[in-house]
Amino acid sequence: ETGVTQSPTHLIKTRGQQVTLRCSSQSGHNTVSWYQQALGQGPQFIFQYYREEENGRGNFPPRFSGLQFPNYSSELNVNALELDDSALYLCASSLNTGGTEAFFGQGTRLTVV
Amino acid sequence: GESVGLHLPTLSVQEGDNSIINCAYSNSASDYFIWYKQESGKGPQFIIDIRSNMDKRQGQRVTVLLNKTVKHLSLQIAATQPGDSAVYFCAENHNQGGKLIFGQGTELSVKP
Repeated sequence: ETGVTQSPTHLIKTRGQQVTLRCSSQSGHNTVSWYQQALGQGPQFIFQYYREEENGRGNFPPRFSGLQFPNYSSELNVNALELDDSALYLCASSLNTGGTEAFFGQGTRLTVV
Repeated sequence: GESVGLHLPTLSVQEGDNSIINCAYSNSASDYFIWYKQESGKGPQFIIDIRSNMDKRQGQRVTVLLNKTVKHLSLQIAATQPGDSAVYFCAENHNQGGKLIFGQGTELSVKP
């Protein structure tokens, strides 16, 4: 086990709704990155948070937003859900912002109907 | 587009044999590479990493080889076991805000 926990594990939402996913990073890790993994694909980088600030963003629209809290836990918020947002959302924590030794949680499976 | 890809989408090996999973990357500026194992319904599990100043790195039953000349990465698993059955991803780091670029993945199937 990596020590990275995500909640909820599964979620079903209706198109147009908003969703919040949560991640608790591994003890001592101050950096959290979020990824979207479509079925049969590799994870795609959404953004990274370091010291409560966004520190890099992938090719995702502004309706994907995030937060990091003083205890380094993080949230991913997605507004105006679309059917294509259905995916496994992964959180990875690391000791640094360079992406090295990033450890993943088990993910949240989001289904948009 | 994304730069990391895998040559084979599926690989089937006999239990006890060695497995080799390959990966090509296109960004010569990448300085760090990771292999992850992902079992069904789980998040990616860190296996082994290698920096661009190295050619080879060994772990427990796994070896990663990096050939910067042809921008190729491979993961070798010795004495493959049924528990090794999973999808394997290579990922590269461009050192751009910690972004990891993942390939599509190779599904390894181990036959008893």
